Amino acid sequence: QSVLTQPPSVSAAPGQKVTISCSGSSSNIGNNYVSWYQQLPGTAPKLLIYEDNKRPSGIPDRFSGSKSGTSATLGITGLQTGDEADYYCGTWDSSLSAYVFGTGTKVTVL
Amino acid sequence: QLHLQESGPGLVKPSETLSLTCNVSGGSISSSNYYWGWIRQPPGKGLVWIGNIYSTGNTYYNPSLKSRVSISVDTSKNQFSLRLTSVTAADTAVYYCARRGAAVDYWGQGTLVTVSS
Repeated sequence: QSVLTQPPSVSAAPGQKVTISCSGSSSNIGNNYVSWYQQLPGTAPKLLIYEDNKRPSGIPDRFSGSKSGTSATLGITGLQTGDEADYYCGTWDSSLSAYVFGTGTKVTVL
Repeated sequence: QLHLQESGPGLVKPSETLSLTCNVSGGSISSSNYYWGWIRQPPGKGLVWIGNIYSTGNTYYNPSLKSRVSISVDTSKNQFSLRLTSVTAADTAVYYCARRGAAVDYWGQGTLVTVSS
């Protein structure tokens, strides 16, 4: 149903790096800013990245965002057990005139 | 620090109307450049944007819910509301109120609404 596709899960050992992809189209990612959200178990989502690659105050630089064409990527370096969460991309879709979220990716720290 | 808090019934009967209110504190809902809206998350599933309202009253709704949804704002009370009509079990979810500017930067804690007889 979602117009933004993410891998269901990614995993890595503590201290390693993971990347999460978000694939869309020209009507959403290709022409609008992308945001990323972290949802820890049982809590509301929290903004991690906005305008493709900017971090809100208080978000460590272990989290980074990038975009190329109709795909965006979230990177997490120095993986910690506290990073175990669901991660969602989000952006405006100009064709739908609606905000859309990605399918979500579960990050597991091995 | 902006704070958003949802309130409303936790149980709604099928075919009835779901009504939730979001109280905003620590800032004015009349602030320009921000949209106020609702996002829901069915149990064990992903996030679904429901819709937004701007301080001018302009609204945007998820096309899949548009026929059943309305969002309104009460600037005198610094709150906004959601109405979802003709609910079914598929509308059971945690409902979040949120502020969207460059991104969805403030979220309420969420409230579980169950549709059941």
